[in-house]
Amino acid sequence: DVKVTQSSRYLVKRTGEKVFLECVQDMDHENMFWYRQDPGLGLRLIYFSYDVKMKEKGDIPEGYSVSREKKERFSLILESASTNQTSMYLCASSLIGSSGNTIYFGEGSWLTVV
Amino acid sequence: SQQGEEDPQALSIQEGENATMNCSYKTSINNLQWYRQNSGRGLVHLILIRSNEREKHSGRLRVTLDTSKKSSSLLITASRAADTASYFCATFSSNTGKLIFGQGTTLQVKP
Repeated sequence: DVKVTQSSRYLVKRTGEKVFLECVQDMDHENMFWYRQDPGLGLRLIYFSYDVKMKEKGDIPEGYSVSREKKERFSLILESASTNQTSMYLCASSLIGSSGNTIYFGEGSWLTVV
Repeated sequence: SQQGEEDPQALSIQEGENATMNCSYKTSINNLQWYRQNSGRGLVHLILIRSNEREKHSGRLRVTLDTSKKSSSLLITASRAADTASYFCATFSSNTGKLIFGQGTTLQVKP
């Protein structure tokens, strides 16, 4: 089974702090994604990566950056956390392909910015 | 931008009844996927239906796709309390290369 592991389930950070959310997948997937999920807004794509050191902006990249130095690891960075970034963050991975493959999700990271 | 829109937003049924959730979308797609999310957890893939397919089954799940109406439905037969969760449709288009999720239907199955 594919396993996508998010290192932190619950975090509380202060406004202005730099926050790192780490994600590791064990199935050699090329694609990795970061979403945030908010009530009434569903899942929104922040960034995705289709290869090491490659990244593409999603629908809401402002205030975020990402890093993919190794194929299995995709990090989401909040350079200066703000209260409106309080949310659940979901990492996911999939095989590359133009036909749109199944995405495998991690368990989510609940971030509260105070 | 959210392409898929689920209907209803919330659904409450008794155990043993069938649950039907609908999803509408706006642009052409390559496939449509349904995911399930238990409270506070990540999403789990349930089923994928391609644009050239009309119906697909997996256990107690039945998915239909009508590309002329740009809509899909997910039917869960003989529901169980353990089916209580949120269900999301997601559409993939090779034009965008993205999988776009709807806002989900929250299903409660009462024992």
